[in-house]
Amino acid sequence: ETGVTQTPRHLVMGMTNKKSLKCEQHLGHNAMYWYKQSAKKPLELMFVYSLEERVENNSVPSRFSPECPNSSHLFLHLHTLQPEDSALYLCASSQGRQWGPGEQYFGPGTRLTVT
Amino acid sequence: SQQGEEDPQALSIQEGENATMNCSYKTSINNLQWYRQNSGRGLVHLILIRSNEREKHSGRLRVTLDTSKKSSSLLITASRAADTASYFCATGEGNTPLVFGKGTRLSVIA
Repeated sequence: ETGVTQTPRHLVMGMTNKKSLKCEQHLGHNAMYWYKQSAKKPLELMFVYSLEERVENNSVPSRFSPECPNSSHLFLHLHTLQPEDSALYLCASSQGRQWGPGEQYFGPGTRLTVT
Repeated sequence: SQQGEEDPQALSIQEGENATMNCSYKTSINNLQWYRQNSGRGLVHLILIRSNEREKHSGRLRVTLDTSKKSSSLLITASRAADTASYFCATGEGNTPLVFGKGTRLSVIA
C-alpha cells in the first residue's frame, strides 16, 4: 500500500463512451502525475500538476482531459478514445525537494481497454 | 534527452544468485532513482541516490552512481523468486519531472 489509490482498477469502454479515472493520494504531497504505460513501450508522462496547477502537458491528445480539484485528488477524463489508447494508466504523487525531484509514489493503475 | 537506458533488457538468474542491472543517462542530474514494477501493477520506489553520492545500500540492494560515466548500477544480492519484476531507473534534474528508462525485466528461477 503506497498511499495512492486509483479507481477503477479495470475499465472497458467503447470508442464513443465518456469515463473518468480517479486518483487519490493520502501522503500530503504537492505534485501529482498521470502516466501511460503501453506494452513494450517506456513509461510516458502525460500530465503533471504541482500545487494544483498543470505544469506539464506532453502533447497529449485532447481526448484526455485532466482535472486536479485539490492537492489530494486527480482525475483523467476520457472521451472518444481510440483502440491504441488501451494501456495501463498510472497515477503518482511526490513531494518536491531542494535537491531535485523527490521519489514518486504510484497507485496500482487502471487497466483500460478500448473496444 | 536525459532518459535513462537500462541494460540488459532482460535477465534470468537462479534463486540465490546476484542480479546486476545498469543504467546510463545523457545529461547532468540531481538524483537517480530505481523503481520496481510487478506485472500489471504500479511502480514501487526502491532507492534514491543523489548526484554527490557514490554508493547506497538498502537491505539486499546496492546502488552505485558514477557521474563521470553517467551511469548507475543496481545490485540485488541473494535473489529470491519474489524479486521477479521489471526494474526502472529514473533521472531527476532541478524541478523537471523524473524521466524513466525502458526497464530491465528480471526473472528469478526457483
